Amino acid sequence: GAGVSQSPSNKVTEKGKDVELRCDPISGHTALYWYRQSLGQGLEFLIYFQGNSAPDKSGLPSDRFSAERTGGSVSTLTIQRTQQEDSAVYLCASSLAAGRGSNQPQHFGDGTRLSIL
Amino acid sequence: AQSVTQLGSHVSVSEGALVLLRCNYSSSVPPYLFWYVQYPNQGLQLLLKYTTGATLVKGINGFEAEFKKSETSFHLTKPSAHMSDAAEYFCAVSNDYKLSFGAGTTVTVRA
Repeated sequence: GAGVSQSPSNKVTEKGKDVELRCDPISGHTALYWYRQSLGQGLEFLIYFQGNSAPDKSGLPSDRFSAERTGGSVSTLTIQRTQQEDSAVYLCASSLAAGRGSNQPQHFGDGTRLSIL
Repeated sequence: AQSVTQLGSHVSVSEGALVLLRCNYSSSVPPYLFWYVQYPNQGLQLLLKYTTGATLVKGINGFEAEFKKSETSFHLTKPSAHMSDAAEYFCAVSNDYKLSFGAGTTVTVRA
């Protein structure tokens, strides 16, 4: 497809379980971002990948959160030992090469709605 | 450091009336500014962006925004609201790659 693809669109899981969220960016986009959207905190930056550079993980809320990007394309966000406060919509975005001074717009997927019971 | 304040969490307008959504930013360096729209159960769609140059920026769906450095503002307007404009709107600022979003403004359009 032409846009950013995220799966699953919805995920319901029990507290304490691990979850994996997937993001397939727009072809040719070297930059990939994860954001979290929750009622209490709004839209928050989580992590940023750019090519082969070390990712910026400064937005990850705890060490239960991790992300990887394989082959410079698909990314997975993993949340271990989920807690109820992890319930949110997780949005992935991609853009052409980004960095300081870049103004490349980010293109967003429809998100994964995560509910922790 | 950078941040965005959107004034008004909810705006209600009549169909055909002016839409005005307010956004003020704080940035230690010249900012890049964006407006995104989010429809229910969808991701964010870029409406328009300001980087450099002309301070009046035109976007999709008849929206435009004006960058006013002296007021640190980037308000979004549309002359005539349509029912399809009902959505949540987010202002965002960036000076590298991270987007910092405002809290969002929900727009409802009355027939």
